[in-house]
Amino acid sequence: GQQVMQIPQYQHVQEGEDFTTYCNSSTTLSNIQWYKQRPGGHPVFLIQLVKSGEVKKQKRLTFQFGEAKKNSSLHITATQTTDVGTYFCAGHSGNTPLVFGKGTRLSVIA
Amino acid sequence: EAGVAQSPRYKIIEKRQSVAFWCNPISGHATLYWYQQILGQGPKLLIQFQNNGVVDDSQLPKDRFSAERLKGVDSTLKIQPAKLEDSAVYLCASSFLAGGPYNEQFFGPGTRLTVL
Repeated sequence: GQQVMQIPQYQHVQEGEDFTTYCNSSTTLSNIQWYKQRPGGHPVFLIQLVKSGEVKKQKRLTFQFGEAKKNSSLHITATQTTDVGTYFCAGHSGNTPLVFGKGTRLSVIA
Repeated sequence: EAGVAQSPRYKIIEKRQSVAFWCNPISGHATLYWYQQILGQGPKLLIQFQNNGVVDDSQLPKDRFSAERLKGVDSTLKIQPAKLEDSAVYLCASSFLAGGPYNEQFFGPGTRLTVL
Protein backbone atom coordinates (compact mmCIF):
# COMPACT_ATOMS: atom_id res chain seq x y z
CA GLY A 1 0.00 0.00 0.00
CA GLN A 2 0.87 3.65 -0.20
CA GLN A 3 3.57 4.80 2.19
CA VAL A 4 4.57 8.33 3.14
CA MET A 5 7.98 8.85 4.71
CA GLN A 6 9.27 11.95 6.42
CA ILE A 7 12.75 12.99 7.41
CA PRO A 8 14.18 13.96 9.76
CA GLN A 9 12.23 12.45 12.65
CA TYR A 10 13.49 15.14 15.02
CA GLN A 11 15.11 18.53 14.52
CA HIS A 12 16.47 20.83 17.18
CA VAL A 13 17.32 24.37 16.08
CA GLN A 14 18.34 27.63 17.68
CA GLU A 15 15.75 30.35 17.41
CA GLY A 16 16.40 32.26 14.20
CA GLU A 17 17.80 29.27 12.29
CA ASP A 18 16.03 27.78 9.31
CA PHE A 19 14.28 24.40 9.31
CA THR A 20 13.30 22.00 6.53
CA THR A 21 11.36 18.74 6.60
CA TYR A 22 11.07 16.39 3.65
CA CYS A 23 8.28 14.07 2.61
CA ASN A 24 8.48 11.19 0.13
CA SER A 25 5.70 8.98 -1.17
CA SER A 26 6.01 5.48 -2.58
CA THR A 27 3.34 6.37 -5.16
CA THR A 28 2.45 9.41 -7.26
CA LEU A 29 0.17 11.69 -5.28
CA SER A 30 -2.98 13.50 -6.35
CA ASN A 31 -2.30 16.14 -3.74
CA ILE A 32 -0.39 16.60 -0.53
CA GLN A 33 -1.43 18.31 2.67
CA TRP A 34 0.63 19.61 5.56
CA TYR A 35 -0.53 19.70 9.17
CA LYS A 36 0.99 21.03 12.38
CA GLN A 37 0.41 19.44 15.77
CA ARG A 38 1.46 21.36 18.86
CA PRO A 39 2.52 19.33 21.91
CA GLY A 40 -0.63 17.94 23.52
CA GLY A 41 -2.78 19.28 20.69
CA HIS A 42 -4.44 17.99 17.57
CA PRO A 43 -3.34 18.30 13.93
CA VAL A 44 -4.19 21.62 12.32
CA PHE A 45 -4.33 22.00 8.54
CA LEU A 46 -1.68 24.28 7.06
CA ILE A 47 -1.89 23.93 3.29
CA GLN A 48 -2.69 21.71 0.32
CA LEU A 49 -0.57 21.40 -2.83
CA VAL A 50 -2.06 19.98 -6.01
CA LYS A 51 0.02 20.92 -9.04
CA SER A 52 3.37 19.47 -10.10
CA GLY A 53 6.20 21.81 -9.05
CA GLU A 54 3.82 24.00 -7.03
CA VAL A 55 5.33 26.39 -4.48
CA LYS A 56 3.22 28.17 -1.87
CA LYS A 57 4.25 30.56 0.87
CA GLN A 58 2.65 31.44 4.18
CA LYS A 59 4.70 34.17 5.85
CA ARG A 60 7.91 32.36 6.93
CA LEU A 61 6.72 28.95 5.67
CA THR A 62 7.44 27.74 2.11
CA PHE A 63 5.86 24.56 0.78
CA GLN A 64 6.97 22.75 -2.38
CA PHE A 65 5.48 19.87 -4.33
CA GLY A 66 7.92 17.94 -6.49
CA GLU A 67 7.74 17.77 -10.28
CA ALA A 68 6.96 14.05 -10.15
CA LYS A 69 4.35 14.61 -7.41
CA LYS A 70 6.07 12.05 -5.18
CA ASN A 71 7.84 14.39 -2.78
CA SER A 72 7.29 17.61 -0.91
CA SER A 73 9.08 19.87 1.52
CA LEU A 74 8.29 22.46 4.16
CA HIS A 75 10.85 25.14 4.88
CA ILE A 76 10.60 27.57 7.79
CA THR A 77 12.78 30.67 7.66
CA ALA A 78 14.09 32.15 10.91
CA THR A 79 12.30 29.82 13.33
CA GLN A 80 10.52 31.16 16.37
CA THR A 81 9.49 29.41 19.58
CA THR A 82 5.91 29.45 18.31
CA ASP A 83 6.97 27.08 15.51
CA VAL A 84 7.50 24.23 18.00
CA GLY A 85 5.47 21.14 17.20
CA THR A 86 5.28 18.15 14.90
CA TYR A 87 4.82 18.74 11.19
CA PHE A 88 3.03 16.03 9.23
CA CYS A 89 2.68 15.61 5.52
CA ALA A 90 -0.25 13.58 4.26
CA GLY A 91 -0.95 12.46 0.74
CA HIS A 92 -3.82 11.34 -1.43
CA SER A 93 -3.11 8.86 -4.21
CA GLY A 94 -6.05 8.47 -6.55
CA ASN A 95 -9.14 7.66 -4.51
CA THR A 96 -7.25 6.27 -1.54
CA PRO A 97 -7.74 7.87 1.85
CA LEU A 98 -5.24 10.40 3.15
CA VAL A 99 -2.05 8.71 4.40
CA PHE A 100 0.01 10.55 7.02
CA GLY A 101 3.75 10.41 7.47
CA LYS A 102 5.24 9.90 10.94
CA GLY A 103 6.03 13.59 11.23
CA THR A 104 9.04 15.72 12.05
CA ARG A 105 9.21 17.01 15.60
CA LEU A 106 10.69 20.50 15.75
CA SER A 107 12.21 21.92 18.91
CA VAL A 108 13.31 25.55 18.99
CA ILE A 109 15.85 26.66 21.57
CA ALA A 110 15.52 30.29 22.56
CA GLU B 1 -18.08 28.31 13.81
CA ALA B 2 -17.87 25.52 16.35
CA GLY B 3 -15.13 22.97 15.84
CA VAL B 4 -15.21 19.18 15.96
CA ALA B 5 -16.37 18.01 19.37
CA GLN B 6 -15.23 14.79 20.99
CA SER B 7 -15.91 13.10 24.29
CA PRO B 8 -14.63 11.92 26.61
CA ARG B 9 -11.21 13.62 26.53
CA TYR B 10 -9.58 10.91 28.62
CA LYS B 11 -10.45 7.32 29.40
CA ILE B 12 -8.66 4.68 31.43
CA ILE B 13 -9.90 1.10 31.26
CA GLU B 14 -8.60 -2.38 31.91
CA LYS B 15 -7.91 -4.81 29.09
CA ARG B 16 -10.93 -6.78 27.91
CA GLN B 17 -13.27 -3.96 28.92
CA SER B 18 -15.35 -1.99 26.42
CA VAL B 19 -15.16 1.70 25.61
CA ALA B 20 -17.01 4.10 23.33
CA PHE B 21 -16.04 7.47 21.92
CA TRP B 22 -18.34 10.13 20.53
CA CYS B 23 -17.74 12.73 17.83
CA ASN B 24 -19.82 15.62 16.52
CA PRO B 25 -18.36 17.07 13.31
CA ILE B 26 -18.54 20.63 12.05
CA SER B 27 -22.03 21.42 10.85
CA GLY B 28 -22.43 20.76 7.15
CA HIS B 29 -19.39 18.51 6.82
CA ALA B 30 -20.37 15.39 4.93
CA THR B 31 -17.18 13.44 5.55
CA LEU B 32 -16.16 12.14 8.96
CA TYR B 33 -12.96 10.29 9.84
CA TRP B 34 -11.75 8.33 12.84
CA TYR B 35 -8.00 8.11 13.31
CA GLN B 36 -5.80 6.28 15.79
CA GLN B 37 -2.61 8.10 16.78
CA ILE B 38 -0.06 6.12 18.73
CA LEU B 39 2.58 8.15 20.56
CA GLY B 40 5.31 9.32 18.19
CA GLN B 41 3.45 8.39 15.02
CA GLY B 42 1.16 10.05 12.52
CA PRO B 43 -2.59 9.57 12.56
CA LYS B 44 -3.72 6.27 11.05
CA LEU B 45 -7.14 6.17 9.43
CA LEU B 46 -9.52 3.66 10.97
CA ILE B 47 -12.72 4.52 9.12
CA GLN B 48 -14.10 7.18 6.80
CA PHE B 49 -17.80 8.01 6.43
CA GLN B 50 -19.47 9.97 3.66
CA ASN B 51 -22.77 11.07 5.19
CA ASN B 52 -23.95 7.82 6.84
CA GLY B 53 -22.15 5.43 4.48
CA VAL B 54 -18.73 3.86 4.97
CA VAL B 55 -16.16 4.90 2.35
CA ASP B 56 -13.13 3.09 3.74
CA ASP B 57 -12.69 0.82 6.74
CA SER B 58 -9.80 -1.27 5.45
CA GLN B 59 -7.62 -0.55 8.50
CA LEU B 60 -10.34 -1.01 11.12
CA PRO B 61 -9.75 -4.14 13.25
CA LYS B 62 -13.29 -5.33 12.77
CA ASP B 63 -13.05 -8.16 15.30
CA ARG B 64 -12.98 -5.57 18.09
CA PHE B 65 -13.66 -2.12 16.65
CA SER B 66 -16.95 -0.84 15.31
CA ALA B 67 -18.19 2.57 14.26
CA GLU B 68 -21.46 4.07 13.16
CA ARG B 69 -22.84 7.35 11.89
CA LEU B 70 -26.52 6.53 11.76
CA LYS B 71 -28.01 9.91 10.87
CA GLY B 72 -25.05 11.21 8.93
CA VAL B 73 -24.08 13.68 11.64
CA ASP B 74 -22.45 12.51 14.86
CA SER B 75 -20.59 9.24 15.18
CA THR B 76 -19.48 6.71 17.76
CA LEU B 77 -16.44 4.45 17.76
CA LYS B 78 -16.45 1.40 20.01
CA ILE B 79 -13.76 -1.00 21.11
CA GLN B 80 -14.85 -4.33 22.56
CA PRO B 81 -12.82 -5.89 24.09
CA ALA B 82 -9.85 -3.54 24.48
CA LYS B 83 -6.25 -4.71 24.30
CA LEU B 84 -3.12 -3.09 25.71
CA GLU B 85 -2.01 -2.06 22.21
CA ASP B 86 -5.18 0.02 21.78
CA SER B 87 -3.69 2.67 24.07
CA ALA B 88 -3.56 5.74 21.83
CA VAL B 89 -5.26 9.02 21.06
CA TYR B 90 -8.41 8.59 18.98
CA LEU B 91 -8.95 11.57 16.74
CA CYS B 92 -12.12 12.47 14.92
CA ALA B 93 -11.93 14.77 11.92
CA SER B 94 -14.39 16.13 9.42
CA SER B 95 -14.23 17.78 6.02
CA PHE B 96 -16.73 19.47 3.74
CA LEU B 97 -15.97 17.02 0.97
CA ALA B 98 -13.70 14.00 0.61
CA GLY B 99 -11.85 15.28 -2.41
CA GLY B 100 -11.10 18.36 -4.45
CA PRO B 101 -10.22 21.76 -2.99
CA TYR B 102 -12.50 21.49 0.05
CA ASN B 103 -11.13 18.38 1.66
CA GLU B 104 -8.96 19.92 4.37
CA GLN B 105 -9.63 18.02 7.54
CA PHE B 106 -10.58 19.67 10.81
CA PHE B 107 -9.58 17.61 13.82
CA GLY B 108 -11.21 17.39 17.21
CA PRO B 109 -9.20 17.47 20.45
CA GLY B 110 -9.06 13.67 20.61
CA THR B 111 -9.71 11.07 23.28
CA ARG B 112 -6.65 9.73 25.05
CA LEU B 113 -7.26 6.06 25.85
CA THR B 114 -5.11 4.16 28.31
CA VAL B 115 -5.62 0.40 28.56
CA LEU B 116 -4.15 -1.18 31.69
